[in-house]
Amino acid sequence: DGGITQSPKYLFRKEGQNVTLSCEQNLNHDAMYWYRQDPGQGLRLIYYSQIVNDFQKGDIAEGYSVSREKKESFPLTVTSAQKNPTAFYLCASSNRDEQYFGPGTRLTVT
Amino acid sequence: SQQGEEDPQALSIQEGENATMNCSYKTSINNLQWYRQNSGRGLVHLILIRSNEREKHSGRLRVTLDTSKKSSSLLITASRAADTASYFCASRSNDYKLSFGAGTTVTVRA
Repeated sequence: DGGITQSPKYLFRKEGQNVTLSCEQNLNHDAMYWYRQDPGQGLRLIYYSQIVNDFQKGDIAEGYSVSREKKESFPLTVTSAQKNPTAFYLCASSNRDEQYFGPGTRLTVT
Repeated sequence: SQQGEEDPQALSIQEGENATMNCSYKTSINNLQWYRQNSGRGLVHLILIRSNEREKHSGRLRVTLDTSKKSSSLLITASRAADTASYFCASRSNDYKLSFGAGTTVTVRA
């Protein structure tokens, strides 16, 4: 899983609550990404950031928010507006082509 | 939206056999990458092939790229039980984003 940490590994929340997923990297990478993975499917891009204090929406940004105040950190908030938040969330970073992934956070909302 | 499609969705082989999986993509690419994911874990980068390359090798992995057909294949030779995982192709266009396929689940039987 390289130098990327995600915490916690499992997260449980009640419907209607916002929840923030942590992602930290010590690889000195400029770019960071958040993906969502549903069972039996590939990864879908939620948000990405190419530089500190800047980020862009991916393909499925609705109901999510991010910040990039430090190069090492790219937290993802799953808001109550996300209609189907239960999923496996993966964070990644890169400097050029290949991406390095964290171990993931499995979020369950009931 | 996911750009790639992978085939087959699942593959079961005997240890020592070769495993081949295919990936198709829709738009022009800068490069195509293959990743492995063990169950419930993050993705690990395996190999990258650039748009001007046709074939690349890395250990027991062989990747081909046919830009005229917008397709790639990954061959794993002499498979081992530890190769049991899901394999994803990811295409990169002229930005930092990767578009992932839905993956091929490979099971290597002892």
